[in-house]
Amino acid sequence: QVQLQQWGAGLLKPSETLSLTCAVYGGSFSGYHWNWIRQPPGKGLEWIGKIYHNGSTNYNPSLKSRLTISVEPSKYQFSLKLSSVTAADPAMYYCARGRLYEDFFSSWGQGTLVTVSS
Amino acid sequence: EILMTQSPATLSVSPGDRATLSCRASQSVSSRLAWYQQKPGQAPRLLIYGASTRATGVPARFSGSGSETEFTLTISSLQSEDFAVYYCQQYDKWPQTFGQGTKLEIK
Repeated sequence: QVQLQQWGAGLLKPSETLSLTCAVYGGSFSGYHWNWIRQPPGKGLEWIGKIYHNGSTNYNPSLKSRLTISVEPSKYQFSLKLSSVTAADPAMYYCARGRLYEDFFSSWGQGTLVTVSS
Repeated sequence: EILMTQSPATLSVSPGDRATLSCRASQSVSSRLAWYQQKPGQAPRLLIYGASTRATGVPARFSGSGSETEFTLTISSLQSEDFAVYYCQQYDKWPQTFGQGTKLEIK
């Protein structure tokens, strides 16, 4: 059974870059796409972006200018970088797996709480 | 961007009773609709995809129905572990979008 384990800095200052990594254990890496999703405290879910094993990406237009998602297929890992964080970016950030040609999310990481404070 | 609207925001139901949760899309999403369950402090869990297909390991008391713009998640005979927040998500049009959730609480 696939497991996603994520890590990264949880406390940032305004204007810094958010950086998270997600590792995939126990499943195929090439047969899926790999996503980042966030959830502000007490609110709903927002899809951030996705990447395929070949490095092809799709980003949410609302974040595209600040967003970079990258992949290291040999390590079964993918990463998120969100630059110039502001007070609008604090959230629980999740990595998640999506099946090819289907943009729903069948497996999720445990989440990383990101706080922005000066 | 497609707007997903869930109702009600909070639903109070007694254990053993049936719960019916609704999700409406601002335009047709065909049957490309998923439901997730989220418990406090946990990541969401996929319950239903394709509007009505249960994900692996999901109990049969969970069922999904609907198409186009109107969707329903039904939980028959609620168990204590079913009290949680439920989200719908459309994945027909990019970017995929989620509803704001329905909190299912014990009556």
